[in-house]
Amino acid sequence: AQSVTQPDIHITVSEGASLELRCNYSYGATPYLFWYVQSPGQGLQLLLKYFSGDTLVQGIKGFEAEFKRSQSSFNLRKPSVHWSDAAEYFCAVGAPILGGSYIPTFGRGTSLIVHP
Amino acid sequence: KAGVTQTPRYLIKTRGQQVTLSCSPISGHRSVSWYQQTPGQGLQFLFEYFSETQRNKGNFPGRFSGRQFSNSRSEMNVSTLELGDSALYLCASSWGGTGSPSGANVLTFGAGSRLTVL
Repeated sequence: AQSVTQPDIHITVSEGASLELRCNYSYGATPYLFWYVQSPGQGLQLLLKYFSGDTLVQGIKGFEAEFKRSQSSFNLRKPSVHWSDAAEYFCAVGAPILGGSYIPTFGRGTSLIVHP
Repeated sequence: KAGVTQTPRYLIKTRGQQVTLSCSPISGHRSVSWYQQTPGQGLQFLFEYFSETQRNKGNFPGRFSGRQFSNSRSEMNVSTLELGDSALYLCASSWGGTGSPSGANVLTFGAGSRLTVL
């Protein structure tokens, strides 16, 4: 079964600073990979996804992530953080089943705090 | 187009009661998945329905059940509520069919139903 680890429970950055949130997964083959963001009291919003192809993936809100097979990682990055980026970030891994369907397994999340 | 709609958004129940939560997926989506989110356990998969059939199931007791209607709307039910059932219950919909995964099977989540059990 697949699993995902987000080693950082909390990350604090200053507004305008760069950001990298770490995600490591465990799966025997190339999985589907996702980053979601959750604001307080809200559901999860998809930031970006990786299914195959180019290992550098661009997402919404200026986020990007890079799939590194050798490191089993899918780290999320943003060059300049805005105060509105403060939220909970979840990495998810999905093992492909049924020719395209999958059930994602989520990490425990990283809480991003942005200082002005 | 309209997103995933979950009702009710907030509810309070007492131990032993039962609760039904509703999820209306994005138009055209045939798969509905349910997740339980708690501070202690994080996001845990409950079950997935596709074309009115339960296609996948997580590791939850039989008190947790669900169903899907012909219009793809889904309900989940929790019977004999326990304090530990207090959580945010999230529903997600997707196209759900087989074929190219490039974008059609990405999950879109609703805002959730916050259940408090007293």
